[in-house]
Amino acid sequence: QVQLVESGGGVVQPGGSLRLSCAASGFTFTGYGMHWVRQAPGKGLEWVAFIRFDGSNECYSDSVKGRFTISRDNSKYTLYLQLNSLRAEDTAVYFCGRDWHGSGIDYWGQGTLVTVSS
Amino acid sequence: IQLTQSPSFLSASLGDRVSITCRASQAISSRLAWYHQKPGKAPKLLIYAASTLQSGVPSRFSGSGSGTEFTLTISSLQPEDFATYYCQQFNSYPFTFGPGTKVDIK
Repeated sequence: QVQLVESGGGVVQPGGSLRLSCAASGFTFTGYGMHWVRQAPGKGLEWVAFIRFDGSNECYSDSVKGRFTISRDNSKYTLYLQLNSLRAEDTAVYFCGRDWHGSGIDYWGQGTLVTVSS
Repeated sequence: IQLTQSPSFLSASLGDRVSITCRASQAISSRLAWYHQKPGKAPKLLIYAASTLQSGVPSRFSGSGSGTEFTLTISSLQPEDFATYYCQQFNSYPFTFGPGTKVDIK
């Protein structure tokens, strides 16, 4: 069965960095684009970034562009999100998700919490 | 592209027919998905391409609309449907979400 498992969250000071990982299994990872979506405590969903199946193209929300980098290692079936220059407003649960034909996100991980605080 | 949802909060009873509207700030063809999310859980895809039911989703869920106005309808509310509902557009980056509609028990 399809599984997505995020890891790498934690507490980091403002201005710090963190790398999140999303380990995929149960499907052909190399055939799907992947997303990161976040949710601040008590708030709604915010789309963060997308990467094509082959890593050839990435796109970001305006709120993270220039600070976050999405990448993937298809040989390891793993998606990454590098978070730099972190701010308090980046505090959120970060979910990875599988793109469904460019029309939805059909499988989601359980999320990993990032807390930016001094 | 900005998405708005109405209502923000909906109180309903078991068996009720409920509808949620999502409006886009510009035309997005049929490039819209609907999800619901329960507290502490990941979202679940219900509808994609505005009206296509995702595999395994009960047929009481339906979606309609194109352009700038979209509707999610639940024909007969069940206990497991009490959740927050989000729309998301896939017409152009960034793939924005609507602010959500919380469906609660009356």
